[in-house]
Amino acid sequence: GAGVSQSPSNKVTEKGKDVELRCDPISGHTALYWYRQSLGQGLEFLIYFQGNSAPDKSGLPSDRFSAERTGGSVSTLTIQRTQQEDSAVYLCASSPRQAGELFFGEGSRLTVL
Amino acid sequence: GEDVEQSLFLSVREGDSSVINCTYTDSSSTYLYWYKQEPGAGLQLLTYIFSNMDMKQDQRLTVLLNKKDKHLSLRIADTQTGDSAIYFCAVGPILSGYSTLTFGKGTMLLVSP
Repeated sequence: GAGVSQSPSNKVTEKGKDVELRCDPISGHTALYWYRQSLGQGLEFLIYFQGNSAPDKSGLPSDRFSAERTGGSVSTLTIQRTQQEDSAVYLCASSPRQAGELFFGEGSRLTVL
Repeated sequence: GEDVEQSLFLSVREGDSSVINCTYTDSSSTYLYWYKQEPGAGLQLLTYIFSNMDMKQDQRLTVLLNKKDKHLSLRIADTQTGDSAIYFCAVGPILSGYSTLTFGKGTMLLVSP
């Protein structure tokens, strides 16, 4: 497709389980960002990729969160041992260059029971 | 770190003008953006302004920047019901060649007929 694609769109999991969220950026976009959107909290920056490397991981809330990007394209955000406070919408955005406009996907809504 | 504040809710009648306000704290913010999020969708860039500008107009949208007061506003002329959405202010400097944006919590605009 032409836009940023995220999957799954909705994920319900039990506390303590691991989850993987996938982002497929717009083809050719070198920069990729993960944000978390919680009710009433706005958007929280998690991590930024330039190519396959992550020069800024400062937003990852704990060591249960990790992300990787392969082939300069698809990125996976992994949350281990999920907690209820991880419930949120996880948004991925890509950009054609450093410091460019961000194009957002529709997000993956995670609910931890 | 950067702090971005927005009022949470605005209600207007169709045909009126809407003004959404945003304040930020970091005077080094170089890029200032307005994003729109419709229900169940990702964020869509509406417009942006550079810190060396005072005003930018784009059809029904007018962005005003007061750098001294660190205040940004978005005016929507002739507001339509289709403008109902959450509007996010985002600001950020350019660090090491990439943008790290801080988002406000969003202003929900409700347009009634």
